[in-house]
Amino acid sequence: DQQVKQNSPSLSVQEGRISILNCDYTNSMFDYFLWYKKYPAEGPTFLISISSIKDKNEDGRFTVFLNKSAKHLSLHIVPSQPGDSAVYFCAASGGSQGNLIFGKGTKLSVKP
Amino acid sequence: EAGVAQSPRYKIIEKRQSVAFWCNPISGHATLYWYQQILGQGPKLLIQFQNNGVVDDSQLPKDRFSAERLKGVDSTLKIQPAKLEDSAVYLCASSVVGDPGIEQYFGPGTRLTVT
Repeated sequence: DQQVKQNSPSLSVQEGRISILNCDYTNSMFDYFLWYKKYPAEGPTFLISISSIKDKNEDGRFTVFLNKSAKHLSLHIVPSQPGDSAVYFCAASGGSQGNLIFGKGTKLSVKP
Repeated sequence: EAGVAQSPRYKIIEKRQSVAFWCNPISGHATLYWYQQILGQGPKLLIQFQNNGVVDDSQLPKDRFSAERLKGVDSTLKIQPAKLEDSAVYLCASSVVGDPGIEQYFGPGTRLTVT
């Protein structure tokens, strides 16, 4: 049973517009949520994170929103750039250990 | 600062053969992780080390997979014997500590194909 779900396998956005990537989770014990970006033939790269005591975290063009009651988080990228085209993974961790539970990823394509 | 190094980058073997992967984490990082990423899936944790001790290996198929981290630095992951379903990218990651929410740094991965 998947504890972290990314229900959209792909997303296509025009350059300059907003990209919204969604993630749902089932385990209420998760304390931290992280987004990773992955280019082909490379390992995932950390993008932004949020702890469960917050509902928003912003870093430049990237903002993550957390809705604990709905067990839902989203990553907003504004404005989207062609270099943002990659696979985005939502991940969660909790308890006493740092191991991450990943979703299946969403492939973002930003068209010029 | 050098990133996480992994080798080899690609490996093709026949089923029932053995294979080993090597990982060198970022200097000073106490925690090391091995993940398995099957095509179309997110990475799945196989084993987590804190220095040279195992913290979590609950999802490691211990009948065929083994891992060690000698001297708390480099690590090797071995599969013996390999099965077709082991075809995946094996990712090594490291972090300063193993606390939840701490950023993990990933290596480029080793793509294993079992024929």
